[in-house]
Amino acid sequence: NAGVMQNPRHLVRRRGQEARLRCSPMKGHSHVYWYRQLPEEGLKFMVYLQKENIIDESGMPKERFSAEFPKEGPSILRIQQVVRGDSAAYFCASSPPPGAEEQYFGPGTRLTVT
Amino acid sequence: GESVGLHLPTLSVQEGDNSIINCAYSNSASDYFIWYKQESGKGPQFIIDIRSNMDKRQGQRVTVLLNKTVKHLSLQIAATQPGDSAVYFCAENISRRFVFGPGTRLSVLP
Repeated sequence: NAGVMQNPRHLVRRRGQEARLRCSPMKGHSHVYWYRQLPEEGLKFMVYLQKENIIDESGMPKERFSAEFPKEGPSILRIQQVVRGDSAAYFCASSPPPGAEEQYFGPGTRLTVT
Repeated sequence: GESVGLHLPTLSVQEGDNSIINCAYSNSASDYFIWYKQESGKGPQFIIDIRSNMDKRQGQRVTVLLNKTVKHLSLQIAATQPGDSAVYFCAENISRRFVFGPGTRLSVLP
């Protein structure tokens, strides 16, 4: 029974490029959460999605960041025109319906902006 | 605003001793809490959870205590082992999302 999958594990982008981070939830899980973690800090909530719906995006920056969880396929966190401050570890978590109970985390994507 | 904080940012314990990691939370409406363990380069790993209608919950070698009066959460690890070395986070559920504390680094000394 595979856990939460994230890819790529490491991503290097130059300033101004786009970053796409993918998350496949655990089997049977229909709720996905994205968090960002800076070095030596805790995780900060970004967005909560169900299939085809954004439930809570209160932690998402207003510009350049977007997220989706289509009916088919993984959830995508997209960062346009990356800046050095976007360098962080991005973690995805999933939970079964009805959501927001026990959350299981993936291994994360470490984004480095050069 | 919302915040979850920890009293001790680092903790060093001798192998075999018990560890206690503390956490203060600020939102009295929080009804669900989780302790996570994060090893270097990995995602957070679920350890144990507790709901607000409980004050204690035990797992294998771990116990979580919840004091709603003072909004305090603690994680106790019995007979600490080298494999317990990691950063530990408490997280509180607020409006169907989790707010994480900054973390406590636990170092187990031989």
